[in-house]
Amino acid sequence: DAKTTQPTSMDCAEGRAANLPCNHSTISGNEYVYWYRQIHSQGPQYIIHGLKNNETNEMASLIITEDRKSSTLILPHATLRDTAVYYCIAHSGTYKYIFGTGTRLKVLA
Amino acid sequence: DVKVTQSSRYLVKRTGEKVFLECVQDMDHENMFWYRQDPGLGLRLIYFSYDVKMKEKGDIPEGYSVSREKKERFSLILESASTNQTSMYLCASRGVSTDTQYFGPGTRLTVL
Repeated sequence: DAKTTQPTSMDCAEGRAANLPCNHSTISGNEYVYWYRQIHSQGPQYIIHGLKNNETNEMASLIITEDRKSSTLILPHATLRDTAVYYCIAHSGTYKYIFGTGTRLKVLA
Repeated sequence: DVKVTQSSRYLVKRTGEKVFLECVQDMDHENMFWYRQDPGLGLRLIYFSYDVKMKEKGDIPEGYSVSREKKERFSLILESASTNQTSMYLCASRGVSTDTQYFGPGTRLTVL
């Protein structure tokens, strides 16, 4: 799986959009971009994944650049409950995920 | 919704004890995984299973064993617990038609 790079931490005001970037410049053509989040002392929670096209679900949107070297997870209206560590993973078919250190997002009231 | 449950959220054991951590998933997934998570080291794969009675070692299998007698249940066994096995243990499952893994809530194990 390709290495991903994320900022260590970010703050976001409650009610505003949170945009979390991820670089994956060595991603290969068959690797998907996955996003998970981990709220303190809980297991990672799946958010969204995509290959080439932008994706949206009830939790978030995922924007992948055309060259696939980076992506952005967007939480459209962040709430205090979105405070968590967010992990970006490039993954294809192998059994294990490689979780990096993630981005610690703090949503401020 | 996929549900992965783990037998305990918190567990305290003594050095040398045999410890069983249980994981159950309700989505008929073929693949199940055990990870441990430690500060600064991220998630590390201990063992995984791709079918009943089948298992494969992950990156750090030493000191652990696993059992998968039924499709929905995957157990992690610490034969003789040691203090360096104090950690958060996470179970996950995945179907064969997707790469998405679904995680349980985790068990925080402390070995004294």
